[in-house]
Amino acid sequence: NAGVMQNPRHLVRRRGQEARLRCSPMKGHSHVYWYRQLPEEGLKFMVYLQKENIIDESGMPKERFSAEFPKEGPSILRIQQVVRGDSAAYFCASSPADIGGELFFGEGSRLTVL
Amino acid sequence: AQSVTQLGSHVSVSEGALVLLRCNYSSSVPPYLFWYVQYPNQGLQLLLKYTSAATLVKGINGFEAEFKKSETSFHLTKPSAHMSDAAEYFCAVHAGGTSYGKLTFGQGTILTVHP
Repeated sequence: NAGVMQNPRHLVRRRGQEARLRCSPMKGHSHVYWYRQLPEEGLKFMVYLQKENIIDESGMPKERFSAEFPKEGPSILRIQQVVRGDSAAYFCASSPADIGGELFFGEGSRLTVL
Repeated sequence: AQSVTQLGSHVSVSEGALVLLRCNYSSSVPPYLFWYVQYPNQGLQLLLKYTSAATLVKGINGFEAEFKKSETSFHLTKPSAHMSDAAEYFCAVHAGGTSYGKLTFGQGTILTVHP
């Protein structure tokens, strides 16, 4: 049974470019979360989505960041006009419905902004 | 609101020695508490969780943690360290009443195990 799949694993962008990170949840999981890990810090919650719905985006920066989880296909975290401070590891996690806190994480996408 | 403090960003032990990783939390509601482990270049893996049942929780790989409400602590222990335990460990808190996985993580503790 495949786990949470994230791609790309590593992404390099120049300032001003766009970054798109993709996440396919575990089979049977309908809840997707994105977390960001800055250097020397723990993970910070960004957004929680279910199919076609954003449930909680309280951790998302107000500008340049967006997330979606369409009816078909993976969840996408999109960062427009990247800046050096966006360099981080972005982790996707999934869970079945109503299991608070027990998350299954992907291996992360490491974004480097030059 | 919830917060987590992990005391000690780096812990070093000898193989076979006791492992103790400290975690203190703050929560305005009865919390759910978790320990996750992250091996290099991998995602986080759940070690164990406390969800208001038994205060002593046993997890995978011989780890356990004890919930102490009076001390607002949830320290992680293992009686005898193994080289394969070298990793980064994260304590996390969840506001248990909600039905989704919005966790607040500590800063992490890197465990080094010496031969």
